[in-house]
Amino acid sequence: DAGVIQSPRHEVTEMGQEVTLRCKPISGHNSLFWYRQTMMRGLELLIYFNNNVPIDDSGMPEDRFSAKMPNASFSTLKIQPSEPRDSAVYFCASSPRLAESDTQYFGPGTRLTVL
Amino acid sequence: GENVEQHPSTLSVQEGDSAVIKCTYSDSASNYFPWYKQELGKRPQLIIDIRSNVGEKKDQRIAVTLNKTAKHFSLHITETQPEDSAVYFCAARALNQGGKLIFGQGTELSVKP
Repeated sequence: DAGVIQSPRHEVTEMGQEVTLRCKPISGHNSLFWYRQTMMRGLELLIYFNNNVPIDDSGMPEDRFSAKMPNASFSTLKIQPSEPRDSAVYFCASSPRLAESDTQYFGPGTRLTVL
Repeated sequence: GENVEQHPSTLSVQEGDSAVIKCTYSDSASNYFPWYKQELGKRPQLIIDIRSNVGEKKDQRIAVTLNKTAKHFSLHITETQPEDSAVYFCAARALNQGGKLIFGQGTELSVKP
């Protein structure tokens, strides 16, 4: 029974390069969340989708960040151009439905380092 | 919007002692309060949650209490073991914020053998 799948697990890139993070939610889940975790800012919600539609992107730090969910089984978070301050662990999580009291299941995360 | 404060930021206890982590929230509409445990280099994993219609919930050595009037909730771990060492996050969700969870800053728990 696969959980949330993220790729790559580690990404090292140079400043200015485009970075694409990928997420496959748990089958049957229709809510998907992208988080960023740093020591300074903790766990921050960047954006979340319900039934493939972005519901709240108020956490997206700036226009360099974009996210898509073209279908129920795939989402991407893109940073273009990347900057050293984007270095963090990016988690994707999914939930059975956008309703109260539903558990969010986290993926293993992508550790991004921007040099 | 919702704001969640978590204390303490670090907690060190001896094996076998109890540990308590406290969180306060600001939005009285919040009705779901999960706790996540994150081991070093791993993903956050749900360990227990509580809904606003319940005051306390227990699962073996872990318990969570909720005081809606005071808008605070706490995680209690009894008979702590070294494998309880991790970062613990509380979170709150408000009905008027859809599926969003607002997380506390985390508590790094260290259980010394």
